[in-house]
Parts: sequence; structure tokens; C-alpha cells
Amino acid sequence: DIQMTQSPSSLSASVGDRVTITCRASQSISSYLNWYQQKPGKAPKLLIYAASSLQSGVPSRFSGSGSGTDFTLTISSLQPEDFATYYCQQSYSTPGFTFGPGTKVDIK
Amino acid sequence: EVQLVQSGAEVKKPGESLKISCKGSGYSFTSYWIGWVRQMPGKGLEWMGIIYPGDSDTRYSPSFQGQVTISADKSISTAYLQWSSLKASDTAMYYCARRTVTYDYGDYAYYFDYWGQGTLVTVSS
Repeated sequence: DIQMTQSPSSLSASVGDRVTITCRASQSISSYLNWYQQKPGKAPKLLIYAASSLQSGVPSRFSGSGSGTDFTLTISSLQPEDFATYYCQQSYSTPGFTFGPGTKVDIK
Repeated sequence: EVQLVQSGAEVKKPGESLKISCKGSGYSFTSYWIGWVRQMPGKGLEWMGIIYPGDSDTRYSPSFQGQVTISADKSISTAYLQWSSLKASDTAMYYCARRTVTYDYGDYAYYFDYWGQGTLVTVSS
């Protein structure tokens, strides 16, 4: 099974900060990596698919990069509505999609 | 408009059975895999399994194989997640999600683009 890890597990940031979250796979997954945002009491929302493709309707301050085993989600200028938990997900071993443990972004 | 609408919250006792549902609309239900995801209280997302309603091909995460059953009725565009004997540890929010496949830059991409609103299952004596 492919295992996913994320770092940090949580972070505190201010509005306007640049935020970077890292996701690592236990084996190479090429670019089969997605990012989701989840706010309390809500379903997850797709942000990025295939490591770097921005889902329609998602603000351009969100970007993704990486391939192989190491991936990054970057928020270029954190906005109040971005405080949430972020999950990576591998889609290499389709149809099974393992999630990372999540990174909680809260207000400093 | 694509929508996945899940059945309402459930409160059950240990040992009882349960079947929750996820109804798709606004797209060809038989052409997309539907996955189920568990989120225990205060915890992260866990992929449980996935079904292709077109032919009911079903795959399970090893962690959930034998613990739940995933099914679908394509005549009413609905997928199901069921338990034969609930445990307190099944208390969680359960989400269904549609898996989409796209072909970009010479490669395929697979992701969950639409999600249900979630069904909260509480198991308590």
C-alpha cells in the first residue's frame, strides 16, 4: 500500500502570508496527486489535481507542484476564507485513493 | 448541475444493521465511479471503497474489506454503504464522492470532484 505523509500537521499563519504544505508518498506516484480543502462541518473541496492543475473555480493563489514522491501545495497570499484543513491524496493506485493525514491551517 | 445527495443522520445501537445512500443527479450516473470516505470525529479522511454503477464493479480498501458492503442501483442513480452489525467504532461522518478521469498533457488524472454533504452515523448503546 502507498502511504502518504504531510508536514507540518498544523501551522499558524496571518492573512497575507505565503503558506507551503508538503506531502510525501512512500513510493513514486508520478503526478497522481490531488489536494483538497476541508472546512469544519463541510465536505472536502477539490483544489488541485494531477499535482499542479487548478480545479475550475479555485482562486489562482492556490498552486501545486512536485512529482515522484514529493509534492507541495502553496497559498501565495493567505485569505481569511483559507483557514481550513488541507489533505493530499494519491490516485496512482487507482481505483484506491489514499489520503494524507491532513494539515490544519489556523490564524496566528 | 452535478449533485450527490446523501441520506440523513442515523443513530443506531451496536449490533444493528444500516444502509445509507448517495443519490447522483445532473450527470450520467453509470459512467463515473462513486467512492465512499470515512471521517471519524476529529480525524482525517479515509478512503473506504469505490463502485462503478455501470456494472457494479466494486473495490475496497484493505482496511474496510469485509467490514462494509458497497452497492449501487443504477435504475435510481443511487449508491449505498451498508453494515450488517454496527460497532461503536463505526461512529463517523461518511461521504460519497464522484471520481472523474481527465486526460491532460499526455496522461490521465483521477480525482474526486463532487462530494455529497455527508451522513453522520452515531452508534451508541
